[in-house]
Amino acid sequence: GAVVSQHPSWVICKSGTSVKIECRSLDFQATTMFWYRQFPKQSLMLMATSNEGSKATYEQGVEKDKFLINHASLTLSTLTVTSAHPEDSSFYICRADREGTEAFFGQGTRLTVV
Amino acid sequence: QKEVEQDPGPLSVPEGAIVSLNCTYSNSAFQYFMWYRQYSRKGPELLMYTYSSGNKEDGRFTAQVDKSSKYISLFIRDSQPSDSATYLCAMTSTNAGKSTFGDGTTLTVKP
Repeated sequence: GAVVSQHPSWVICKSGTSVKIECRSLDFQATTMFWYRQFPKQSLMLMATSNEGSKATYEQGVEKDKFLINHASLTLSTLTVTSAHPEDSSFYICRADREGTEAFFGQGTRLTVV
Repeated sequence: QKEVEQDPGPLSVPEGAIVSLNCTYSNSAFQYFMWYRQYSRKGPELLMYTYSSGNKEDGRFTAQVDKSSKYISLFIRDSQPSDSATYLCAMTSTNAGKSTFGDGTTLTVKP
């Protein structure tokens, strides 16, 4: 079964509203989690690295005030897309690494902003 | 230069072909190697993992690691249309807090 659970799997929201996506590691503690964005037929694009108990590290070009990341516990990281606009519509995926071994991805969240 | 380089593809093969997907790396500390498969509109799923050098077989899939050459491969025998996906390699070391990924190779198996 899945060891990283991501919710919701899909969401439709109105332009200007905020959307929160949760990523949970189910059977291990993840000090670090990652958030990706993926457009159709394109590669995964790393948005930010989420560190438990500290501020996230954002990749160049990713607006930290728009994509709020909170990693409040060793098993939960959240990504909030604030004031979403149609151009934010995309597939968002989280990842949690079991230290020194495997990395696990969430099932992904398809966000559509109308 | 990236720590992990993956053959970019895309790769298109006929059904039944043997497929070879490859990655090279520069960090000699890497000792845990993984392959992921991502179908469209899904999160990547862990396909196989190997520790240190050698081969590991799982059905039609064989993962091969050559640490002396810093080269890993994933072989798919008797490829099927259902194998059409993007494949990502990844690797890590014992003390690393995170894995390092290749950019992925998109494979299409034509019936």
